[in-house]
Amino acid sequence: DTGVSQDPRHKITKRGQNVTFRCDPISEHNRLYWYRQTLGQGPEFLTYFQNEAQLEKSRLLSDRFSAERPKGSFSTLEIQRTEQGDSAMYLCASSLWDSTTNEKLFFGSGTQLSVL
Amino acid sequence: GENVEQHPSTLSVQEGDSAVIKCTYSDSASNYFPWYKQELGKRPQLIIDIRSNVGEKKDQRIAVTLNKTAKHFSLHITETQPEDSAVYFCAARAAGNKLTFGGGTRVLVKP
Repeated sequence: DTGVSQDPRHKITKRGQNVTFRCDPISEHNRLYWYRQTLGQGPEFLTYFQNEAQLEKSRLLSDRFSAERPKGSFSTLEIQRTEQGDSAMYLCASSLWDSTTNEKLFFGSGTQLSVL
Repeated sequence: GENVEQHPSTLSVQEGDSAVIKCTYSDSASNYFPWYKQELGKRPQLIIDIRSNVGEKKDQRIAVTLNKTAKHFSLHITETQPEDSAVYFCAARAAGNKLTFGGGTRVLVKP
């Protein structure tokens, strides 16, 4: 499968626990995005990377959230001290960007987080 | 930052009829407008996109129109089929920036 893959597909955790999600982008893609989606809503931007550099982080994002892309390939998203309001689908997307082309985002299947 | 509004939130059409979804955006610098289709439990998939130097684009039964002056764009699905039932999201992006999504439209095609 050469698409964007995310692991795990589902995560159930207790409030206060830490969780970590992984995203493997399409191999030649240099940009990687994290979005969050709650039921009935559009994807909400969290953060994105170009290669290993984190270029933007949503101002709405609590400092309990951190993301890394250490070698410019896969990325991890960690949520510390989870709260029930963190329950959502966490979507990863990747793209091939340069200043001259039309950047198209391709999404993974997401990690569904349930905080009890 | 960019703000994208999408209407309607739900749309029920008879099979064979047309469906139209409308979006408005706030950032006049936005120049790329994709549409994604998301079936229940699946990932959003890009179905069509348009850049701001083009007013209309068609791909078989789907088309997108863009009015840059009014800052709105629309998705048109003709001859709807049951497999068109899904949630559709519009999005907008200024050059080099992130995609901002609308709230989605749940389309139900009744046989």
